[in-house]
Amino acid sequence: SQTIHQWPATLVQPVGSPLSLECTVEGTSNPNLYWYRQAAGRGLQLLFYSVGIGQISSEVPQNLSASRPQDRQFILSSKKLLLSDSGFYLCALKERSEQFFGPGTRLTVL
Amino acid sequence: RKEVEQDPGPFNVPEGATVAFNCTYSNSASQSFFWYRQDCRKEPKLLMSVYSSGNEDGRFTAQLNRASQYISLLIRDSKLSDSATYLCVGVSGGYQKVTFGTGTKLQVIP
Repeated sequence: SQTIHQWPATLVQPVGSPLSLECTVEGTSNPNLYWYRQAAGRGLQLLFYSVGIGQISSEVPQNLSASRPQDRQFILSSKKLLLSDSGFYLCALKERSEQFFGPGTRLTVL
Repeated sequence: RKEVEQDPGPFNVPEGATVAFNCTYSNSASQSFFWYRQDCRKEPKLLMSVYSSGNEDGRFTAQLNRASQYISLLIRDSKLSDSATYLCVGVSGGYQKVTFGTGTKLQVIP
């Protein structure tokens, strides 16, 4: 079965600093991968999805970007963090129609 | 109107009670539906799929009503460990767009 790793687990960053969150998956090949953000007390917001290496689609305009340099690696980045970027960032993969989530990265921007 | 809507709750119910959640969806092209469970500060985990014919898994029963565009989750004999937020999910579109509701919070009280 598939395993999703996310790194780091928690992160505290100052406003204006860069960001790089990593997601790696095991036990599957050519997965559809997703980045979600869950702000405090709010639902899951889809940020990006990828159907393959180098293929990224963005769901909402924002100061974040995503890249997929390898089949099983999905990276979320920002050049300059905003306060509103704080939240719980979840990487997910889709198998058939079901989504499975990684353990998440909790980001606090101060 | 949100694509997937849920009553945020909280639903406070005594142990042993039966509780039901509804979730409405606006996209009639939605093809698949799921219920996820999310514990506090954890990633969502798949609880069960939802089929038009209805499906049951132990104390949990899920139903889909395509005519009225809603799905439901029934929990019988509630346990303290059922306390969590329950997210409904609709899947549609060519790339299998996944839309999460904001979740319904359940608190089972001793």
